Amino acid sequence: AQKITQTQPGMFVQEKEAVTLDCTYDTSDPSYGLFWYKQPSSGEMIFLIYQGSYDQQNATEGRYSLNFQKARKSANLVISASQLGDSAMYFCAMREGRGGSNYKLTFGKGTLLTVNP
Amino acid sequence: NAGVTQTPKFQVLKTGQSMTLQCAQDMNHEYMSWYRQDPGMGLRLIHYSVGAGITDQGEVPNGYNVSRSTTEDFPLRLLSAAPSQTSVYFCASSSFVTGWGTPYGYTFGSGTRLTVV
Repeated sequence: AQKITQTQPGMFVQEKEAVTLDCTYDTSDPSYGLFWYKQPSSGEMIFLIYQGSYDQQNATEGRYSLNFQKARKSANLVISASQLGDSAMYFCAMREGRGGSNYKLTFGKGTLLTVNP
Repeated sequence: NAGVTQTPKFQVLKTGQSMTLQCAQDMNHEYMSWYRQDPGMGLRLIHYSVGAGITDQGEVPNGYNVSRSTTEDFPLRLLSAAPSQTSVYFCASSSFVTGWGTPYGYTFGSGTRLTVV
């Protein structure tokens, strides 16, 4: 079973509109962290936002917010007021547990977001 | 600038050739890892290390070797390149002291695009 599922291979959004990128995860460990990364066409991995499993509030970073629904094991990324520069591949990732061997990041397959002018 | 340095950025190999992808970090991170990125597959973990002299396999280790003789370096060796190893390779590092549970836990290199013909 996949640990991270991103069900939207591609998404389109109009400039200045909000968009939600879906991510569901699967873990039995009570301690975990969820990450979103952006990968533009230039190829680098850019960290966007992080949510810890014990965090009480949803994470926000500027125009990015994470809609964390723990019971549903869902960690959707919301981008408000989309910009043309937001066009990129977006990856959801999870780190489980604590300790040295549990520093592995597991990635979803990604969602390609296209922002239309 | 502190970070993760990957070399080379591009490489073309013939089937059966061997080569080493270099990864170096200057942040004294204990954890280092190698991922491969293929279209529609996200990033998949190849090998990882939790410290000098300690390595372990990830999700897709076949055809790759690693070693960690120093904290700074974590080279990835392709013993006999195959077309199936055509991919983009990323090295990522993290610190146990400051990494876990923090949003900026991982630092990615800029990637190596490898083509095996």
